Amino acid sequence: DQQVKQNSPSLSVQEGRISILNCDYTNSMFDYFLWYKKYPAEGPTFLISISSIKDKNEDGRFTVFLNKSAKHLSLHIVPSQPGDSAVYFCAASLRDMRFGAGTRLTVKP
Amino acid sequence: EAQVTQNPRYLITVTGKKLTVTCSQNMNHEYMSWYRQDPGLGLRQIYYSMNVEVTDKGDVPEGYKVSRKEKRNFPLILESPSPNQTSLYFCASSTFRANYGYTFGSGTRLTVV
Repeated sequence: DQQVKQNSPSLSVQEGRISILNCDYTNSMFDYFLWYKKYPAEGPTFLISISSIKDKNEDGRFTVFLNKSAKHLSLHIVPSQPGDSAVYFCAASLRDMRFGAGTRLTVKP
Repeated sequence: EAQVTQNPRYLITVTGKKLTVTCSQNMNHEYMSWYRQDPGLGLRQIYYSMNVEVTDKGDVPEGYKVSRKEKRNFPLILESPSPNQTSLYFCASSTFRANYGYTFGSGTRLTVV
């Protein structure tokens, strides 16, 4: 039972453009949503989170949007940089944390 | 430096030979957890611990054991490893409120032949 889904396994964007990564969830009881970034041979690192009572949270180039009625969240990266190339995991937390399968972002120079 | 340390980073073993993957954190976090990462499946939780002597099953606990005798350590034990446990394993820790995000270790790549 995959409660958190990332339906796009990969995304490729040009440097300087916007990257939009999407995530859907099924459990309306989740209270926080998070994004993690993972480089090869390293563990995931926490990027940004949003409470279920908010619809937007911004941190520098990264903005997370939450649409509770659609059970959908997205991560916007503007402008995208080659160093942003990584696998991005969406996660949702209640008592513990559930992760999506990840989206591999490639930012081309 | 605040970190989660896993050992070993790489391990090749044979079916049935008991092994332990260690995990230690230096942040005084209450919450610790083990995940495995498999292609197309993302990170799946094996076991987690809310505090010392408190552990609970995640989504894929079969074939694994854990213990939490001290706050900083959370070892993962495979009593009789099988090839379907070949995977990339991550340990993570957090303060109790997970909205701050987990701190992950660097991972242990396990191959069972």
